[in-house]
Amino acid sequence: DQQVKQNSPSLSVQEGRISILNCDYTNSMFDYFLWYKKYPAEGPTFLISISSIKDKNEDGRFTVFLNKSAKHLSLHIVPSQPGDSAVYFCAASASLTTGTASKLTFGTGTRLQVTL
Amino acid sequence: DSGVTQTPKHLITATGQRVTLRCSPRSGDLSVYWYQQSLDQGLQFLIQYYNGEERAKGNILERFSAQQFPDLHSELNLSSLELGDSALYFCASSVVVSSTDTQYFGPGTRLTVL
Repeated sequence: DQQVKQNSPSLSVQEGRISILNCDYTNSMFDYFLWYKKYPAEGPTFLISISSIKDKNEDGRFTVFLNKSAKHLSLHIVPSQPGDSAVYFCAASASLTTGTASKLTFGTGTRLQVTL
Repeated sequence: DSGVTQTPKHLITATGQRVTLRCSPRSGDLSVYWYQQSLDQGLQFLIQYYNGEERAKGNILERFSAQQFPDLHSELNLSSLELGDSALYFCASSVVVSSTDTQYFGPGTRLTVL
């Protein structure tokens, strides 16, 4: 049972345009959501997070939106740069409910390619 | 560089064998997590240790075991290996001070079972 889903395995975007990566979840216990970026031969790198008490969190070119009623979150990258080309994983946890950092449930990832 | 180290980077072995993967967390981090990533899959949580004690367990097979030592490094032991155990194994660490502590990942160990 895939509790976190990234339905687009890949996405290609031109440099300078907006990249929008989507993620859906089914477990209503999830209250903390993260995006990780992964380059080949490296481990995932934390990018940005959002807790369920917010609907938007912004960090530079990266913004994450959370729609709790739809159980959907998205990552916007503006403007997209060639160095953003990587696999992006959405992850979720029930950390706020448990009160402690807990296991992450990951989606299968979306490969973003930013073209010149 | 996340500060989390994993050894070895690559491991090739045969079915039925036993291997040990090692992880050193970031300085100051008390918690270690192990994840498995099979081909075209997301990372699957295996197990978490906090300051030497098991904190949470995921879909970890009985053939797999882990421990965290007093110096906080951790080892994941995989035994009676099967072809399906071929995967990337990631270790992550965090401080575990608040519920939103970031997990920092190591570069992973690629295990190939032939």
